[in-house]
Amino acid sequence: AQSVSQHNHHVILSEAASLELGCNYSYGGTVNLFWYVQYPGQHLQLLLKYFSGDPLVKGIKGFEAEFIKSKFSFNLRKPSVQWSDTAEYFCPVVYNNNDMRFGAGTRLTVKP
Amino acid sequence: NAGVTQTPKFQVLKTGQSMTLQCAQDMNHEYMSWYRQDPGMGLRLIHYSVGAGITDQGEVPNGYNVSRSTTEDFPLRLLSAAPSQTSVYFCASSYSRGGRWRNIQYFGAGTRLSVL
Repeated sequence: AQSVSQHNHHVILSEAASLELGCNYSYGGTVNLFWYVQYPGQHLQLLLKYFSGDPLVKGIKGFEAEFIKSKFSFNLRKPSVQWSDTAEYFCPVVYNNNDMRFGAGTRLTVKP
Repeated sequence: NAGVTQTPKFQVLKTGQSMTLQCAQDMNHEYMSWYRQDPGMGLRLIHYSVGAGITDQGEVPNGYNVSRSTTEDFPLRLLSAAPSQTSVYFCASSYSRGGRWRNIQYFGAGTRLSVL
């Protein structure tokens, strides 16, 4: 069965530190990749998406992600985090234009 | 344009009670889905619908029923609530563009359910 793995369950950073959150997925044919963010008490919001083309994707709020097909990875990066980035981050994967599979998520805490 | 609207926001049930979680979208999306979110497990798909009159099971369908009589509404029914169904429930909908449909999902604000 297809699955998504987010290695870091909880990441704690200080403001201005650089961020990289890992996301790996199991092979399953055509994939579409996403990063969503969930701020405390809120619903999920789309940060960025990859369907095809340039594997380096830029999203909102200074986030970017790189699709590395050979590694089945789609890691999220941000050069300098802010306190307001404190949230939970998910990287769901859609296999073969079908259902969306989520990983367990990564909780990011940014200390002011 | 309200997006995806879920009601209620909070609910407490006793074991064995039934209830319906409401979900409505005003974006004319064909695809709608229900997820439950539990700590350390991310979101898991309960049921989904690809259009009015068509529904299918996701990863964790047991104990839940759905129907899709209109494009706008996709209610989730708990037939006999159990403590294991204590969770946060999210409804989502998706649109079609260039053949890549059901991919960019718009989520509701969630319903926090406790079953005692």
